[in-house]
Amino acid sequence: GNSVTQMEGPVTLSEEAFLTINCTYTATGYPSLFWYVQYPGEGLQLLLKATKADDKGSNKGFEATYRKETTSFHLEKGSVQVSDSAVYFCALSGNKAAGNKLTFGGGTRVLVKP
Amino acid sequence: NAGVTQTPKFQVLKTGQSMTLQCAQDMNHEYMSWYRQDPGMGLRLIHYSVGAGITDQGEVPNGYNVSRSTTEDFPLRLLSAAPSQTSVYFCASGGRGEQYFGPGTRLTVT
Repeated sequence: GNSVTQMEGPVTLSEEAFLTINCTYTATGYPSLFWYVQYPGEGLQLLLKATKADDKGSNKGFEATYRKETTSFHLEKGSVQVSDSAVYFCALSGNKAAGNKLTFGGGTRVLVKP
Repeated sequence: NAGVTQTPKFQVLKTGQSMTLQCAQDMNHEYMSWYRQDPGMGLRLIHYSVGAGITDQGEVPNGYNVSRSTTEDFPLRLLSAAPSQTSVYFCASGGRGEQYFGPGTRLTVT
């Protein structure tokens, strides 16, 4: 079945530091890939997505590239802010036959200190 | 446009009690789903629906029932609450994998 593995946290950074969160996946066919973000006390919000190999998703300074050869979708941001403190989830969606079901990684907590 | 709404925000139950978590969306999405979020375990799919009258089980369906009589509503029923069901529950709706999440219901079973 499908699975998503992401690096465990917490990740603690200083403001303006570079952030990378690794995500790898196992899936049949050609899944779509997502990063969701959960701020404290809130539900998940879609951060960015990529639907095919070599696509780059980007939003709010975050980027991730769909790498089929390494089955990876690593999240990066060049200069983090305190407001980026949150839990980040990598997820994939299978093919049409699997419906729209999302498979999530375990989440990575990021704490950015001033 | 309210998106996905969930009620209640918080709930405390005693073991054996039953209750219904409400979920509604106003985006006319066919696909809706329920997840539970436990510390260190990410989100796990409980049940999902691909349209009115159609539901199916997810990864952890035991102890939960769902129905989908309208496109807008997708309630989750706990038949006989157990302490293992203490969790935060999220409802989501969407299409083509992109999901919109409600704010969650924090449930404690004592």
